[in-house]
Amino acid sequence: GAGVSQTPSNKVTEKGKYVELRCDPISGHTALYWYRQSLGQGPEFLIYFQGTGAADDSGLPNDRFFAVRPEGSVSTLKIQRTERGDSAVYLCASSYSGGPGTQYFGPGTRLTVL
Amino acid sequence: ILNVEQSPQSLHVQEGDSTNFTCSFPSSNFYALHWYRWETAKSPEALFVMTLNGDEKKKGRISATLNTKEGYSYLYIKGSQPEDSATYLCAPLWGGKLIFGQGTELSVKP
Repeated sequence: GAGVSQTPSNKVTEKGKYVELRCDPISGHTALYWYRQSLGQGPEFLIYFQGTGAADDSGLPNDRFFAVRPEGSVSTLKIQRTERGDSAVYLCASSYSGGPGTQYFGPGTRLTVL
Repeated sequence: ILNVEQSPQSLHVQEGDSTNFTCSFPSSNFYALHWYRWETAKSPEALFVMTLNGDEKKKGRISATLNTKEGYSYLYIKGSQPEDSATYLCAPLWGGKLIFGQGTELSVKP
C-alpha cells in the first residue's frame, strides 16, 4: 500500500516568509508525528497527533511553529516568519495507534531559508 | 532531556566485512527501542522495535540485541554490502515520542 507522503520535497524561501509543509499518513493510522533533522544531528521531535488533537506539542521550538490535523488524516506544519535557523529536513511519520508500534516515515521536506 | 549516544559517528568498511555499532540510552523508565536505516534522499526505514531485556532480532544480515538494565543496544551487520551504506539511527520511545541519537553513518566500499 501507499506509504507516508510529504509535499513539497524541497522548499526554498526567504527569511521572514510563511511556509506550509504537508504530510499524508498511511491510511487508517491514527497517530501522526512531526520531527526535524538539522545538519549533523538525529531527528528531533516536534509534535504528535492522536486523531485530530495534538497529544504532545512540547517539541515545537516557539510560537512561530504550528501544526494542524483537522480531519484526523492529512497534517500541515506551518512556520511563520521563517528564520535561517529553521533550515532542516522536516520528517513526518505515522503509526497505527501510537504507543510502541513502528512509526513509518515519509521522505521528508528539505526546507532552506535564505 | 533524554541523552541517546551512538558510536561510532561514522564507519568505513570493505565489502564483506562484518561490523557493529552501539546505542546507549538511560535505562530508567525504558519502554521500547527503535532502529532505523536512512539512505540519502529516501524515507527512514524501520528495522526493529525492541521491548524486552535480552531481546535479539534479525532481518537478513542485520541483527540487534538489547540490554535494558544497562541501557544499550548493539546493531550487527554480517558481510556488509555496498547497499548497506546508510545512516543507522536508534531511538528509545519516551513519553510517546522517539528520541533519536545522532546516528552512525556507514560506508561500504566494493
